[in-house]
Amino acid sequence: AQSVTQLDSQVPVFEEAPVELRCNYSSSVSVYLFWYVQYPNQGLQLLLKYLSGSTLVKGINGFEAEFNKSQTSFHLRKPSVHISDTAEYFCAVSEGVGTYKYIFGTGTRLKVLA
Amino acid sequence: GAGVSQSPSNKVTEKGKDVELRCDPISGHTALYWYRQSLGQGLEFLIYFQGNSAPDKSGLPSDRFSAERTGGSVSTLTIQRTQQEDSAVYLCASSPSNQPQHFGDGTRLSIL
Repeated sequence: AQSVTQLDSQVPVFEEAPVELRCNYSSSVSVYLFWYVQYPNQGLQLLLKYLSGSTLVKGINGFEAEFNKSQTSFHLRKPSVHISDTAEYFCAVSEGVGTYKYIFGTGTRLKVLA
Repeated sequence: GAGVSQSPSNKVTEKGKDVELRCDPISGHTALYWYRQSLGQGLEFLIYFQGNSAPDKSGLPSDRFSAERTGGSVSTLTIQRTQQEDSAVYLCASSPSNQPQHFGDGTRLSIL
């Protein structure tokens, strides 16, 4: 069975500093990988996705993630965060190529400090 | 264009009552998903509808939970004889076939 691990439940970071949110997955088959962001009292918005091709994926709001197959990781990065990036971030993996049934991680709460 | 719409946005009910949560997916999206998000937890998959295929109900936590999707569009998640542990945010998502999911803002369910 597939699983997703987000080891950091909370990440505090100062404004304009870089940030990395970690995501590791386990799977015996090829997968699709996603990062979603959830602002308070809202649903999830897709930040970026890895389906195939280049392992460096760029998303909205200046975020990017790198797929590392050997380390089974898909870490999310941003070189300079803003107060408005404060939110919950979820990593997700699909159960096999061509299906969109997701397994979600438990989320990382990013808190950007002034 | 309209996104995924969920109603009500908030629901407070007494233990033992039945509740119905509604999801209006984006027009034309063939796939529809229900998730449960409990405080401090990730998203727990509940049920998946794809077109006219039989739904994947593997995530429903008990037989008190059921869902239907009428006419391939609107979906209703029903929880019978609610318990306090059912308190959570229930999220609905939809997608075109084999495309990323679009989420609604959820229904916050509180069981007193």
